[in-house]
Parts: sequence; structure tokens; C-alpha cells
Amino acid sequence: KNEVEQSPQNLTAQEGEFITINCSYSVGISALHWLQQHPGGGIVSLFMLSSGKKKHGRLIATINIQEKHSSLHITASHPRDSAVYICAGGGADGLTFGKGTHLIIQP
Amino acid sequence: DTGVSQNPRHKITKRGQNVTFRCDPISEHNRLYWYRQTLGQGPEFLTYFQNEAQLEKSRLLSDRFSAERPKGSFSTLEIQRTEQGDSAMYLCASSWSGEQFFGPGTRLTVL
Repeated sequence: KNEVEQSPQNLTAQEGEFITINCSYSVGISALHWLQQHPGGGIVSLFMLSSGKKKHGRLIATINIQEKHSSLHITASHPRDSAVYICAGGGADGLTFGKGTHLIIQP
Repeated sequence: DTGVSQNPRHKITKRGQNVTFRCDPISEHNRLYWYRQTLGQGPEFLTYFQNEAQLEKSRLLSDRFSAERPKGSFSTLEIQRTEQGDSAMYLCASSWSGEQFFGPGTRLTVL
């Protein structure tokens, strides 16, 4: 059983919709990371958070330490947001990754 | 470009051959990580270094895998006697304060 679980695995939405991707983890972590991976592309770090909420442009990430749960939200989604979004937990000694959420935003 | 670089980007080899990949981290980053990603899966952690010290290697996939970071700068990952199951994307990341910056990866195909 993976120690980091994401849902949904696949998500297709229309441009402009509000998107939520969820992540639950069963391991003790010092930080929770949200990463973005485009097809054939490298991985880009979106957020690293250990408590509360962070916002960057149209992206918002939240974490509830007690419930071991984090969410990534995308407001006013756009086709260029189409990518795989990966949740990862861990600390300085390496990350444990979820399997990713494949997001497609249709125009 | 001062990001993380990896070479080669693609490697095709025959089963049984040895391969070596190189990662050049962001210059001021003291931590360097190696991950493997197979198709449709999230990456899995292999090993990491703090400066030149390899602090975790128990999750290397087998004794055919080894990694070095001799001067605390670039790192190499070697796979000996490659098998078809080794075909994957090998990712390197570096960090200073916790946030990890990833390289483009080396895609290995073992025929």
C-alpha cells in the first residue's frame, strides 16, 4: 500500500472550472510537496508546505496536519494547466510520491 | 541556465551492459537525490547525498545500482548488468532548504 494516496487518478474538466486534487498520507512527514509534470517533461515544484495554506497565482495548496490530508486547487482552469500533478511527502532524506493525478482541461 | 542538468537525456543499451548517468545539481545545493519513475507511476526514491556523504542507500533497487558524489558537486548513478526491468526515467533533484528542484531526467531503455 502506497503511503501517499492521491485522488482522483484522472480528471477531465472544462476550461474555467475550479479543480481540486486530494492527497492523503500515512507517514510522518516534515513537509508536503505538490509537483507538476507535463508529458515528456521534467518535474516542477509547485508548493512545499508544512502547515496552513499557500497561494501562487491561480494555484492554492492547503494541508491539515492532524488529518494527514492536503489539497491542491486550481481556480479558473486553463488548457495549459493540463499535466500530471503529483503529491509527495517527506523530508530532507527523500520523498515518497503519490501516483499522480492526470488532469486534462478542455477548451 | 543554472538549473539541474542530467546527461545523457536518453540511453538505449543492451541487456547485460553497464550504464552510468550524470547529474549536475544547482551549484549551491548541498543535497542531491536520485529517483526512478516508470511509466504511469510516481517517482520512487533511490538514494540521496548531503555534500559527498551518501546518507541513504538502502532503497537502491539492488546491488547492481550504485551512486557516487565524490566532491560534493555532480553525482553519478551506475547500473551494472542492466535488465529489461531497469527501463525507466531516472530523475535527479537537488535542494538547499527542503524544496527540491528536478532535472529533466535520463530515459533508459534496455533492449
